[in-house]
Amino acid sequence: GENVEQHPSTLSVQEGDSAVIKCTYSDSASNYFPWYKQELGKRPQLIIDIRSNVGEKKDQRIAVTLNKTAKHFSLHITETQPEDSAVYFCAVSNQAGTALIFGKGTTLSVSS
Amino acid sequence: ETGVTQTPRHLVMGMTNKKSLKCEQHLGHNAMYWYKQSAKKPLELMFVYNFKEQTENNSVPSRFSPECPNSSHLFLHLHTLQPEDSALYLCASSQVGPGGDYGYTFGSGTRLTVV
Repeated sequence: GENVEQHPSTLSVQEGDSAVIKCTYSDSASNYFPWYKQELGKRPQLIIDIRSNVGEKKDQRIAVTLNKTAKHFSLHITETQPEDSAVYFCAVSNQAGTALIFGKGTTLSVSS
Repeated sequence: ETGVTQTPRHLVMGMTNKKSLKCEQHLGHNAMYWYKQSAKKPLELMFVYNFKEQTENNSVPSRFSPECPNSSHLFLHLHTLQPEDSALYLCASSQVGPGGDYGYTFGSGTRLTVV
């Protein structure tokens, strides 16, 4: 089945710096790549997603890039703020296209 | 009530008990999911229902039994659980198929403790 690797597991940055989280996947047929943010004690929430026919997508301070040839995609957060501190999960659609397989998460800490 | 609602929020049960978790979605989605979230395996897929039909059972032990009576409701029946089953159980829904965006909306989860 699909295997999703996410790195790093923890990331600490200073406020205003950029943060980058990377995920690799194994199934070349996967075509949907979302990112979720989970704050402490809260549910995961979709923050941005990208489909296989697009190489990059941006939404204000958040961007996602996809390299289908290399089978990896990355989340970029610019001008980080303390409220960006959370666990971030990448996900990939499974072989059947019926569900999402998640990475193990990255704990981002933004210090002011 | 909007979004995805899960009840109860917290549950403590003994290993011989039988309990059920409930999930309801108010988004008109056609697919619902159960995920287990623990420190060891964050967001582990358990069950998938598309159009009320179970399409995936991710090698989940039989002490977990899902039920999907209609496209808006999903249950997870629990019996003779083990302490290692203690975790946060998250329900999600999405719209799949033509015109669907596949993005999940998660419920707030049920924090289960097995004693």
